[in-house]
Amino acid sequence: SQTIHQWPATLVQPVGSPLSLECTVEGTSNPNLYWYRQAAGRGLQLLFYSVGIGQISSEVPQNLSASRPQDRQFILSSKKLLLSDSGFYLCAWSRNRGGTEAFFGQGTRLTVV
Amino acid sequence: KQEVTQIPAALSVPEGENLVLNCSFTDSAIYNLQWFRQDPGKGLTSLLLIQSSQREQTSGRLNASLDKSSGRSTLYIAASQPGDSATYLCAVNGVSGTYKYIFGTGTRLKVLA
Repeated sequence: SQTIHQWPATLVQPVGSPLSLECTVEGTSNPNLYWYRQAAGRGLQLLFYSVGIGQISSEVPQNLSASRPQDRQFILSSKKLLLSDSGFYLCAWSRNRGGTEAFFGQGTRLTVV
Repeated sequence: KQEVTQIPAALSVPEGENLVLNCSFTDSAIYNLQWFRQDPGKGLTSLLLIQSSQREQTSGRLNASLDKSSGRSTLYIAASQPGDSATYLCAVNGVSGTYKYIFGTGTRLKVLA
């Protein structure tokens, strides 16, 4: 069976510090991978998605970047965090074709202070 | 641009009631629609997936329908229980021929014992 791991679960970082959130998927190959952010009281905003190694699509201009160094690894990064980067970050995967189910990790609560 | 709307934003009902949650989307060119449940501070749990060629899907006390031509889906919850209290999100997949999932803002459900 497939599983998705996301860590850390919670993170408190000062403004201006770097960020690295990691997501890995087990039990499948060549998945589509996604990063979403959920701000307090708001819906899920798609930040990045990837259909293969090194292939990243950015959905909104922002202070964040994503990388996919391995088939089942997706990393969300920032060089210098802003207060507005606070939120709940969720990683997800789906099979690499249309019409399939998406599965989500347990999320990372990021607070920038 | 695909927009997904969920009505109502919040709902509070006594235990045992049958519920209908609504989801509407502006672009009918989708691969599928998926309903999720989110408990506070947690990731998303997939409830039901409806392919674009299907009209409905059922799982236990949950039934989801899809009318793609009118851009609508409903999630029916029978005999609600306090354990059903959560936020319910719908997402459409296949926006503009991509594998992106676009979410509505959710319906926050509270079932009173």
